[in-house]
Amino acid sequence: DQQVKQNSPSLSVQEGRISILNCDYTNSMFDYFLWYKKYPAEGPTFLISISSIKDKNEDGRFTVFLNKSAKHLSLHIVPSQPGDSAVYFCAASGYGSARQLTFGSGTQLTVLP
Amino acid sequence: EPEVTQTPSHQVTQMGQEVILRCVPISNHLYFYWYRQILGQKVEFLVSFYNNEISEKSEIFDDQFSVERPDGSNFTLKIRSTKLEDSAMYFCASRVQGNRGSPLHFGNGTRLTVT
Repeated sequence: DQQVKQNSPSLSVQEGRISILNCDYTNSMFDYFLWYKKYPAEGPTFLISISSIKDKNEDGRFTVFLNKSAKHLSLHIVPSQPGDSAVYFCAASGYGSARQLTFGSGTQLTVLP
Repeated sequence: EPEVTQTPSHQVTQMGQEVILRCVPISNHLYFYWYRQILGQKVEFLVSFYNNEISEKSEIFDDQFSVERPDGSNFTLKIRSTKLEDSAMYFCASRVQGNRGSPLHFGNGTRLTVT
């Protein structure tokens, strides 16, 4: 079951530069998307979300872009900081399953000082 | 900031034994969940719970699994007869509302090792 895909298992970025994490989905019923960040030995922490009625949502250094026609979303972190180094999970939920999230496999972001 | 707390952080058990994983959701949250992550794999939904009953469950959540909210604060996941493939990180989560705009808050997980 690959309804939510994060094709890059890892990404390295220099401190101060932009980090772009990508996510693709296949289920047309998904209409709400979230990004979670996870540090080792901790649970996922909610970062930012976007509804399918929008194409962009911004919160400080974090911006999520949604391209519904391409079934693609991305998370931009500007500027990247070493403390941003973590695994980032894309997650989606759909009208037919309002209570659960479907997660991608995650992308390990490493921000180099 | 209120947190979801899970105990124990690590549980080792022998195959065939019963385990109970415990969670204390955030106090004003009404919706509760269990997810798991097998090493190297995705975070997978197990079950959601609202108003003292299961509202959704995945195909993973078979008859060996059960959940309970025994009092006003705890939320437990029981595995009756553990199998080797149950070894995973189990995450409890809660949310204040059931609508999709209400994000899940996760605990730090219980690492279950079945030997």
